[in-house]
Amino acid sequence: GNSVTQMEGPVTLSEEAFLTINCTYTATGYPSLFWYVQYPGEGLQLLLKATKADDKGSNKGFEATYRKETTSFHLEKGSVQVSDSAVYFCALSQYGNNRLAFGKGNQVVVIP
Amino acid sequence: EAGVAQSPRYKIIEKRQSVAFWCNPISGHATLYWYQQILGQGPKLLIQFQNNGVVDDSQLPKDRFSAERLKGVDSTLKIQPAKLEDSAVYLCASSLEAVGQYFGPGTRLTVT
Repeated sequence: GNSVTQMEGPVTLSEEAFLTINCTYTATGYPSLFWYVQYPGEGLQLLLKATKADDKGSNKGFEATYRKETTSFHLEKGSVQVSDSAVYFCALSQYGNNRLAFGKGNQVVVIP
Repeated sequence: EAGVAQSPRYKIIEKRQSVAFWCNPISGHATLYWYQQILGQGPKLLIQFQNNGVVDDSQLPKDRFSAERLKGVDSTLKIQPAKLEDSAVYLCASSLEAVGQYFGPGTRLTVT
């Protein structure tokens, strides 16, 4: 079945550092890929998405590229801010049904 | 446009009691989802509605959970009787397009 794997453990980094969160997936066919962000006490917000191979999703300085050859959708940001502290979830949906399968999430803590 | 609304935001009940959650999706969104998010994990789909019909309820524990979406708009999710392991955040989401879901703030349920 469809599944998403995110790197283990929280990520702690200093302000203005470079952020990478790894995400790999297993799916049949050609899924759509997403990154969602969850700020403390809030629901999930769609951060960015990509619907086909080699697409790059971007928003708020975050980027992720749909890599079919490596089945990956790693999230990157060049210079993080304290306000980026949140939990980040990678997810996929299979074409035609829009049901989301989520990874376990990564807590990101940005220290001033 | 207004987002997905959920109520209550927090609920504390004792085991074996019943509880109900309410969701109002974004206006015009035909598809509505309920997810369960246990602490430290990604959301897990419980049920998906298309208008007022059930599309997928394969992961809904039907012996204690029920959901309905009357008139294809608002939805309620009920748990009766609750167990300790039902403690989680219950998220409602809605979508219009084939790709992408919008989430509400969630209801945090604590079963004691």
